[in-house]
Amino acid sequence: NAGVTQTPKFRVLKTGQSMTLLCAQDMNHEYMYWYRQDPGMGLRLIHYSVGEGTTAKGEVPDGYNVSRLKKQNFLLGLESAAPSQTSVYFCASGFTLRTSGRTSSYEQYFGPGTRLTVT
Amino acid sequence: GQQLNQSPQSMFIQEGEDVSMNCTSSSIFNTWLWYKQDPGEGPVLLIALYKAGELTSNGRLTAQFGITRKDSFLNISASIPSDVGIYFCAGQSTGTASKLTFGTGTRLQVTL
Repeated sequence: NAGVTQTPKFRVLKTGQSMTLLCAQDMNHEYMYWYRQDPGMGLRLIHYSVGEGTTAKGEVPDGYNVSRLKKQNFLLGLESAAPSQTSVYFCASGFTLRTSGRTSSYEQYFGPGTRLTVT
Repeated sequence: GQQLNQSPQSMFIQEGEDVSMNCTSSSIFNTWLWYKQDPGEGPVLLIALYKAGELTSNGRLTAQFGITRKDSFLNISASIPSDVGIYFCAGQSTGTASKLTFGTGTRLQVTL
């Protein structure tokens, strides 16, 4: 299994350009997420999806759009890139599994990241 | 958005020493996860904890789910140079639609 893969690994955009980041997972996970990581800010959730065809806003959704047309893919779009969107973007997929009683297990796995620079 | 308080922010240790770090939250969590991130890579899941008081090991790593459900601890025994990296804690609480809240990370550097 490849796990979570991201395309591309690096990208440089000019202000106002658009692009789409692709995330793919082969673990049949229901949940997928897009994060951005900036120095000193930790990981911040942009958008997420709890299933095929569904998306929801995270902590920092402005300037981004997402789509989940297939269970294994989660796309992150930037319609008009801005320098403030210079960051490292991570995709993740996750699952929750209810075990005995009220106990549930939950895990989230990350891709290798996409380093985006907007000039 | 909410962040977990993770400490220390950074630490320098000598090879062979034991390391301890912790995360605290104002909210109760149902799940605690610990990740390690190497430079230029994505976070890798090290340990997952699901019950208050639970103690789980993964090789030289041991993590505990605090009794109050508002904290978690990670210990690394007999550190080696490849332990260098950033360690993140993450918590999941009820009603958050499977979203995680992340700590700000502990940067670990190991000297020979």
